[in-house]
Amino acid sequence: AQRVTQPEKLLSVFKGAPVELKCNYSYSGSPELFWYVQYSRQRLQLLLRHISRESIKGFTADLNKGETSFHLKKPFAQEEDSAMYYCAQKPYSGTYKYIFGTGTRLKVLA
Amino acid sequence: GAGVSQSPSNKVTEKGKDVELRCDPISGHTALYWYRQSLGQGLEFLIYFQGNSAPDKSGLPSDRFSAERTGGSVSTLTIQRTQQEDSAVYLCASSLGLGDRISYEQYFGPGTRLTVT
Repeated sequence: AQRVTQPEKLLSVFKGAPVELKCNYSYSGSPELFWYVQYSRQRLQLLLRHISRESIKGFTADLNKGETSFHLKKPFAQEEDSAMYYCAQKPYSGTYKYIFGTGTRLKVLA
Repeated sequence: GAGVSQSPSNKVTEKGKDVELRCDPISGHTALYWYRQSLGQGLEFLIYFQGNSAPDKSGLPSDRFSAERTGGSVSTLTIQRTQQEDSAVYLCASSLGLGDRISYEQYFGPGTRLTVT
């Protein structure tokens, strides 16, 4: 079965330190990959997707098909980055059955 | 404008009872999704609608679960004969339709927390 794996349930970093949230997917075709974020007491919202190759709030994510990874990175973490982050994939065209990982809680310490 | 709304926000029910969860998508969004988030789990896809039809119901965990959407707007997720393992947060999301395709961006509702005692 297709699966999205986020190996870390909790990641704590100090403010100003680099952060990398890991995501691996299982589908070997051409999936679309996304990162969603949920800040405290807010709704889940899209952060970025791999096709756009943009930086949002300083975060970037590169799709590595060889390693089937889509890790989320930010060079200098801020306290306001503390949130729950979910990696998601849309496996292939023709279906809208998104598969989400179990999420990683990021805590940025002052 | 209003975002996706869900009701009720919290529901406590006794095992064996039926429950209905409601989702009001963003006006004009033709795609609607239901997910389940159990404790310590990610979001589990249940079903999605394109208009009033549900092309993929494969995520529904059992025949106790059903969903419908009428008028291309409001959707109801019904769980019959609830079990304790049904306790979870049920999230709804909607997306804009683009012809016969759906925009990639999903807008999520606040969720309904269901507790089965």
